[in-house]
Amino acid sequence: EAQVTQNPRYLITVTGKKLTVTCSQNMNHEYMSWYRQDPGLGLRQIYYSMNVEVTDKGDVPEGYKVSRKEKRNFPLILESPSPNQTSLYFCASSRRDTQYFGPGTRLTVL
Amino acid sequence: AQKVTQAQTEISVVEKEDVTLDCVYETRDTTYYLFWYKQPPSGELVFLIRRNSFDEQNEISGRYSWNFQKSTSSFNFTITASQVVDSAVYFCALSEGLRGSTLGRLYFGRGTQLTVWP
Repeated sequence: EAQVTQNPRYLITVTGKKLTVTCSQNMNHEYMSWYRQDPGLGLRQIYYSMNVEVTDKGDVPEGYKVSRKEKRNFPLILESPSPNQTSLYFCASSRRDTQYFGPGTRLTVL
Repeated sequence: AQKVTQAQTEISVVEKEDVTLDCVYETRDTTYYLFWYKQPPSGELVFLIRRNSFDEQNEISGRYSWNFQKSTSSFNFTITASQVVDSAVYFCALSEGLRGSTLGRLYFGRGTQLTVWP
């Protein structure tokens, strides 16, 4: 089954404790992207990747890192999370223009 | 300035009414791509449609139709004979494309919450 998986689905952590949210797709898609969704702000792109080893900043990259060492995985790294990074995060992949989204990761930073 | 504006934060209609969701975009590129996505109450995000800037034909898919007007920088979405299952948040998005891809950096509107009452 074609899918985008994210782990964990829910995470509560404390300020400053490094964390990684994993994203994996099984469709051999070249394009992958991370978004955060906040009430009243809609979706905002954090980072995207056009292919392996190619990543670019989106609208709100501050405080986040990504890597794309292999096509299927695109982890989102928060080196020192802060409360303003509390949000719902979505990963997506796409071959052409149909984006397939993961189920979302709800992150709370205390 | 927002690149994609969805001025309607919330819309409520009664089943079987037609409803139009507005989307106004801003770009200086001559080639760009517009998208609509749906987020039902269950939370998943679902791609609905992509439109290229060089193709102004309107599109119809069942009860859904999209009206792209370059002259007014708008890409509006109409649901005909709405149903309760259409209740969702709908997002409009713009991509200026990158390296031959229709994607790249994506700009989303803030979404319109549509509620369809039985």
